[in-house]
Amino acid sequence: AQSVSQHNHHVILSEAASLELGCNYSYGGTVNLFWYVQYPGQHLQLLLKYFSGDPLVKGIKGFEAEFIKSKFSFNLRKPSVQWSDTAEYFCAVNLYSSASKIIFGSGTRLSIRP
Amino acid sequence: GAGVSQSPSNKVTEKGKDVELRCDPISGHTALYWYRQRLGQGLEFLIYFQGNSAPDKSGLPSDRFSAERTGESVSTLTIQRTQQEDSAVYLCASSGTYRTREAQYFGPGTRLLVL
Repeated sequence: AQSVSQHNHHVILSEAASLELGCNYSYGGTVNLFWYVQYPGQHLQLLLKYFSGDPLVKGIKGFEAEFIKSKFSFNLRKPSVQWSDTAEYFCAVNLYSSASKIIFGSGTRLSIRP
Repeated sequence: GAGVSQSPSNKVTEKGKDVELRCDPISGHTALYWYRQRLGQGLEFLIYFQGNSAPDKSGLPSDRFSAERTGESVSTLTIQRTQQEDSAVYLCASSGTYRTREAQYFGPGTRLLVL
């Protein structure tokens, strides 16, 4: 069965540190990839997405993610985090063959120390 | 409205009772999705609507769960004879079309607690 793995459940960083959150998926076909973010007390919202083309995708608030097909990975990065980045981050995969279903990872909680 | 809305925001019920959760998608969005998020876990797909038909019900965990949608508008998720394991946040999302490559816009969720 298709799945999405986020191996880091809770990451704690100091402000200005660099961030990389891992995401791996298990599916051999064409996929669309997403990162969603949920700030405390707010809705889930889209951070960035990859459909095709340049595997390095830039999103809002200085985030970027790189699709590495050979590794089935779509890691999220930010060179210098801020306290306001404290949130839960979800990686998600939409199987190209199944328009309806988006499979989410279990999420990574990011805590930034001011 | 400007975004996806859900009601109630919180629901506490007794085991065995039925509950109805409501979702109002973004106006004009044809696709609507229901997810469940248990504490400490990721989002679990339940059902998807394209207009008022449900081509994919594969995520519904049991026959106690059902959902309907009126036109391309409001959707209701009904859980009959609730069990304690049904306790979770139920999230609704909508997107412009049912096609792939569409990001979904999420509502705030309904937090359900079954005692």
